[in-house]
This record gives sequence, structure tokens and C-alpha cells, in this order.
Amino acid sequence: GAVVSQHPSWVICKSGTSVKIECRSLDFQATTMFWYRQFPKQSLMLMATSNEGSKATYEQGVEKDKFLINHASLTLSTLTVTSAHPEDSSFYICSATTGKVPYEQYFGPGTRLTVT
Amino acid sequence: DAKTTQPNSMESNEEEPVHLPCNHSTISGTDYIHWYRQLPSQGPEYVIHGLTSNVNNRMASLAIAEDRKSSTLILHRATLRDAAVYYCILRVGAGGTSYGKLTFGQGTILTVHP
Repeated sequence: GAVVSQHPSWVICKSGTSVKIECRSLDFQATTMFWYRQFPKQSLMLMATSNEGSKATYEQGVEKDKFLINHASLTLSTLTVTSAHPEDSSFYICSATTGKVPYEQYFGPGTRLTVT
Repeated sequence: DAKTTQPNSMESNEEEPVHLPCNHSTISGTDYIHWYRQLPSQGPEYVIHGLTSNVNNRMASLAIAEDRKSSTLILHRATLRDAAVYYCILRVGAGGTSYGKLTFGQGTILTVHP
């Protein structure tokens, strides 16, 4: 149980285009989903927290107009990287939590984005 | 947010126990201690968590110091598949302003030798 999927697993796009990444909780309802970014040989950095039906809360330094997050249902959140540039190339990982004890987060497998 | 300190790397031999330490001297009374691990090019995997008492599950054991300023993740018999980056994270308990958020540090790279 507690499986989180991401789609696509990898994507290559051209500079200036937008890319959408989906995060789904397959067997549980996720009241809260988190989006992280991870550069090579670095740790995960939290980008934003999204609660179903409300606007995402972005971490300091993360551009909300560039990284659009939609949490339309209890099983789906999307991250859209708008006008992507090569510096946005990274490993994007989502996680989901039921918001109930014991509150652990279940992570997706990640999406490798390469902007050329 | 309270921070954790972990060794950058550790090594172990296969089938031997591994003790991964974590210091969290600024932990507050409502902070939970969580451990996750991450294999290359994969999302983190939940390992174990605790608040005050030692915890055991099928993957590992978590030993928490009496003053809660440190903890140790114990892998009883390391396998090659346990080679990963292990993160010790403090999760703010209910009522905190950062409730639910996980702040990842650099973690400990565990190498397991056959």
C-alpha cells in the first residue's frame, strides 16, 4: 500500500517550453502533497506544499509563477514548469501524506527533467 | 526548524549490523524523528520514525536517546540493497508552523561491501 506514482519518469524539452509533471497517490487519499527538487549530488529541496482544493504554499526563493502547482483532487497534484530553461534541469520528486498518524510521507519515483 | 547532524559517509560489510548516528540537539518536545533512505535516481523511501521510545519494524530499529538529542538507526544485517543515502529528519509535530514538512539534510552515504 501507500504507492505514489509520477509521470513522466523522464522528459526532455526545449528551452522556453512548458512541462507538466503528474503526481498520483494510487491507493490512498492525499490531503497534502509536497514537491521537491534535487540537483546532482545534492539533497532534496522542498519547493512547495499543496493541499487539495487550495493554493500551494511555496518555499522562499521558489517562483510561484514559474512552477505552477495544482492539487485538484485527493489523488492528483501537478507541477508545471513554465518557460523552462537549462538551469531548471533537475530531478523533481513529489510526496504525499494522508495527514493522519503516523504522518509519514510517501515519495514518488521522481521525474528527470532535461531542458536543452 | 531544528537541524540534524549526520556523518557524511559510513561503510559496512554485508550481513553485519550497521549503526547510523544522528544528532539533533535542538529538537523540541513535539518533533518526530524520521528516517528515510534514497537509492540513486529514485525517490526517498520511508524507513522508520519515532518520538520518544525505541521503535522496531521489518526494515530497521530506531534507538532514541533518553534526552532525545540523538538517535541511531540500526540495520541488523546489512545487505547490498541497503546501500543508499540515509536521511535523519525532524518532522514538526501537530501545531507547529511547519507542521508536516520534512527538511532534508545531506544525509549519510552508506556503502556496503560484499
